[in-house]
Amino acid sequence: VLMQSPVTLALSPGETAVLSCKTRQYVNSNYFAWYQQKPGQAPRLLIFRSSMRATGVPDRFSGSASVTDFTLTINRVEPEDFAVYYCQQFGRDFGPGTKVEI
Amino acid sequence: QVQLQESGPGLVKPSETLSLTCNVSGVSIGDGGDYWTWIRQPPGKGLEWIGYIYYIRHTDYNPSLESRVSLSLDTSKNQFSLKMTSVTASDTAVYYCARGLVGGGAADDAWGQGILVTVS
Repeated sequence: VLMQSPVTLALSPGETAVLSCKTRQYVNSNYFAWYQQKPGQAPRLLIFRSSMRATGVPDRFSGSASVTDFTLTINRVEPEDFAVYYCQQFGRDFGPGTKVEI
Repeated sequence: QVQLQESGPGLVKPSETLSLTCNVSGVSIGDGGDYWTWIRQPPGKGLEWIGYIYYIRHTDYNPSLESRVSLSLDTSKNQFSLKMTSVTASDTAVYYCARGLVGGGAADDAWGQGILVTVS
């Protein structure tokens, strides 16, 4: 089970977003990912192996891991970053999502 | 570039079987490796992993759906399929197929556009 917080994050463009995903037990950080989903679109892979950016993902997105705590940071949020973000472990279970809104 | 495209009926009657196919281009699914995955998203809700098939014949399913779901691979057509039996209204969702990259820790780096399946 993955627990994401906050449920909703209200920000202004230019601010920094810090999204959290916690697991109840140890997860190999090589099997942890983050996705972005905008309305009406399929999810897009942002981060894999906890901290590696997928192809084409801007470097303002970064991921980190510490045992059972995983973090996605978006530096200087751009208007196109307002979306829902999901974490995932082992290519299977998803967290409930965090909505980043203006 | 890997591309995936879901196809199948958009309307299924309760108690019947939902069948979807994902056509893959840009990579041969018969090469082995990679996780060929189905994920769904009920309207207005989050993502739910259904299952994946990997190394051609190995499967892993969401325990909550395992009794009703089966996945298969057709290497000759470069496609993989989902069957879900005894559907109810709660199975209404957008269904996505995706490729989980073995070298990427099974993260899904390529997705289909999704297909809305309504059970009614």
